[in-house]
Amino acid sequence: DGGITQSPKYLFRKEGQNVTLSCEQNLNHDAMYWYRQDPGQGLRLIYYSQIVNDFQKGDIAEGYSVSREKKESFPLTVTSAQKNPTAFYLCASMWGSGNQPQHFGDGTRLSIL
Amino acid sequence: GESVGLHLPTLSVQEGDNSIINCAYSNSASDYFIWYKQESGKGPQFIIDIRSNMDKRQGQRVTVLLNKTVKHLSLQIAATQPGDSAVYFCAEADSNYQLIWGAGTKLIIKP
Repeated sequence: DGGITQSPKYLFRKEGQNVTLSCEQNLNHDAMYWYRQDPGQGLRLIYYSQIVNDFQKGDIAEGYSVSREKKESFPLTVTSAQKNPTAFYLCASMWGSGNQPQHFGDGTRLSIL
Repeated sequence: GESVGLHLPTLSVQEGDNSIINCAYSNSASDYFIWYKQESGKGPQFIIDIRSNMDKRQGQRVTVLLNKTVKHLSLQIAATQPGDSAVYFCAEADSNYQLIWGAGTKLIIKP
């Protein structure tokens, strides 16, 4: 079955700690995205990547970092510089470029201990 | 319609009736629009999309209408079922093909 897998489903972060959220896709999609979702709000773009070894900041990149070493993988690190990390994080991928539907994983819920 | 904040707009519909979810978009130059359905604790699921050269597009039990004059988008769901209960998001694509998302509308189905 083709799809996007995010792990873990739930994650807890201690003060001053960096945590990494995993996103893997086997759809052979070129573009991958990370979004943050807060209660009662729409999705906000953190980072995106249209090709391996290249990525761009979205609207709320501060306190986050990404890498794109493989086409199928786009991990997101939430650093200690992100002071309000509690949110639902969603990864998406899209075939090609231009206007196409993005396909989403089932998210990682990050909370502060 | 769409709004920003902690309280989602809510639409309650009787099972079997048609649902109409509305969305106002911001950029008259946007040329791609998309609707997603999100169930609790899951990622958004693609429903239907439409490009600006069309004003209507139909899928299975769903229709999207685009009114560029008033920058309005709507999603119609025919014969609403309990499984349609979810939060529905509209999004528009900007000039860099990035999606700009609305805050969502919660659809509640009354038995």
